[in-house]
Amino acid sequence: QKEVEQDPGPLSVPEGAIVSLNCTYSNSAFQYFMWYRQYSRKGPELLMYTYSSGNKEDGRFTAQVDKSSKYISLFIRDSQPSDSATYLCAMSATAAGNKLTFGGGTRVLVKP
Amino acid sequence: DAGITQSPRHKVTETGTPVTLRCHQTENHRYMYWYRQDPGHGLRLIHYSYGVKDTDKGEVSDGYSVSRSKTEDFLLTLESATSSQTSVYFCAISERADSTDTQYFGPGTRLTVL
Repeated sequence: QKEVEQDPGPLSVPEGAIVSLNCTYSNSAFQYFMWYRQYSRKGPELLMYTYSSGNKEDGRFTAQVDKSSKYISLFIRDSQPSDSATYLCAMSATAAGNKLTFGGGTRVLVKP
Repeated sequence: DAGITQSPRHKVTETGTPVTLRCHQTENHRYMYWYRQDPGHGLRLIHYSYGVKDTDKGEVSDGYSVSRSKTEDFLLTLESATSSQTSVYFCAISERADSTDTQYFGPGTRLTVL
């Protein structure tokens, strides 16, 4: 069983809809949680970073962490066709070392 | 791509041949990483470097070696390529070695081993 599970999608939504993405994990030691966005044929880029449990908002993006359920989410409001990409969650148990464990990624398609 | 280049961008090679991928950065960041990305597996760390001549293994290091003789260059070598090493390889850099620091990724190298 993988440490981090993520539905591969694709997740297809109409423009303007809310996109809801999530990851589940098995390692209760994970404390640092990130979401990366990856456009086709490009390297991933960091979208959101959250430490421990709680919510974090940045523009149209909201990240949520529920450590009790070992579940993290990313919501994209007012989705745009430019949000079409693969979204990868990543997490780490310790601050030191910067060794990340990634989910497999969810492909998102936002249709105009 | 945050001042990171990878070369070559695409390569097709045959089983048993040696292959070297190059990552070059202009950011003068101390930490550099090599990942591979395969469908359904996300990114998996192969090796990383925390300074010139200082490297360590990651999650999937078997069959790979690395070298870093200059701050700006991190080389990944497949001594004898196998079909299971067909993948997209990404280099990443970070200024600090802690999970609160952003890792910046290069554009990737698509390697096919026939």
